[in-house]
Amino acid sequence: GAVVSQHPSRVICKSGTSVKIECRSLDFQATTMFWYRQFPKQSLMLMATSNEGSKATYEQGVEKDKFLINHASLTLSTLTVTSAHPEDSSFYICSAPRGRANTEAFFGQGTRLTVV
Amino acid sequence: AQTVTQSQPEMSVQEAETVTLSCTYDTSESDYYLFWYKQPPSRQMILVIRQEAYKQQNATENRFSVNFQKAAKSFSLKISDSQLGDAAMYFCAYRPYYTGANSKLTFGKGITLSVRP
Repeated sequence: GAVVSQHPSRVICKSGTSVKIECRSLDFQATTMFWYRQFPKQSLMLMATSNEGSKATYEQGVEKDKFLINHASLTLSTLTVTSAHPEDSSFYICSAPRGRANTEAFFGQGTRLTVV
Repeated sequence: AQTVTQSQPEMSVQEAETVTLSCTYDTSESDYYLFWYKQPPSRQMILVIRQEAYKQQNATENRFSVNFQKAAKSFSLKISDSQLGDAAMYFCAYRPYYTGANSKLTFGKGITLSVRP
């Protein structure tokens, strides 16, 4: 079964509103989680690294005020898209490393966000 | 910075045949991990196979095997006896050996594999 659960799987929101996406590690603790964005037929683009108990590390070009990340516990990281616009419509995926030396990354099911 | 290159955007294979997906990478590190991930139409990322750079032996997982050429920085995936369920987008990925916040994956652009019945 899934070891990383991501919700919701699909969300439609109006322009200007905020949307929260949750990523949970189900049977292990994840001090680090990663958030990706993926456009159709393209690769995963790392947006930020979520660190439990500290601030997230954002990749260059990613607006930290638009994409708020909170990693309040060892099993939950959230991504909030604030003041969403149609150009924020995309597929968002989280992952958490696990196993010996964190060598294996487990991915959530992804969230398809549509901003209308 | 590490880079991963998948130069073939699409490939097609006949069911039951064998196909090889290419991947090259660039790094100055001597220890690292390489992965192949599969993303079917559901878009759930699935780990296909993993290779530790310090291991000379090529990894195999049932019908999936790799050809790891460390000196050439090449990491190709061979799928034997292709099945319709193998149709997906495949990503080659690199990860440094050290852990923690720097354990992020670097992905290639991906290749779309179609399987002809």
